[in-house]
Amino acid sequence: AQKITQTQPGMFVQEKEAVTLDCTYDTSDPSYGLFWYKQPSSGEMIFLIYQGSYDQQNATEGRYSLNFQKARKSANLVISASQLGDSAMYFCAMSFWVSGTYKYIFGTGTRLKVLA
Amino acid sequence: DTAVSQTPKYLVTQMGNDKSIKCEQNLGHDTMYWYKQDSKKFLKIMFSYNNKELIINETVPNRFSPKSPDKAHLNLHINSLELGDSAVYFCASSQLLVPSTDTQYFGPGTRLTVL
Repeated sequence: AQKITQTQPGMFVQEKEAVTLDCTYDTSDPSYGLFWYKQPSSGEMIFLIYQGSYDQQNATEGRYSLNFQKARKSANLVISASQLGDSAMYFCAMSFWVSGTYKYIFGTGTRLKVLA
Repeated sequence: DTAVSQTPKYLVTQMGNDKSIKCEQNLGHDTMYWYKQDSKKFLKIMFSYNNKELIINETVPNRFSPKSPDKAHLNLHINSLELGDSAVYFCASSQLLVPSTDTQYFGPGTRLTVL
């Protein structure tokens, strides 16, 4: 069955350093999408980045990049030059099709704290 | 201007009541979604509509019924509320049906508390 796993419940990083948030997934479907979202303490959900399973290059959006390793089934989020405002919960998600039905599942999240 | 708005922001109600949460997007998007986030922050997609047509209908109790009067609105009606329905409900929209490179825009969330 399809699954998304985020093994790091919490992470600390020093301001201005880079940090990698782990996400592994499991699916036998060759066509799927991988997403990262940020949820600050204020509660809103912010879409960060998307990677399609057929995309040849890793997705990047500003300071966010997705380290997509298809053989390892990992889709780690890399945040470069961390800022205090990056402190938040981060969720990895995957979309896929099952028997003609579109599905969308989330990981349990990683809470990132950026230290001054 | 708010891109995706939800009303109400907070909803406190008794078990057994029926309530609705409204969602509107002014982005001209074709696809709208409802998500549920429980007290442990676990997120789950509930429904998705594309051009008023239901395309995702996850295994949620049939007490939950989405309604899309037009592609700018996706309301969520909940019958016979139960304690376990307490959660934050997020509405979102995107131009294209995911998976795609298209960004999803989220509403601010509605915190539902069932007493």
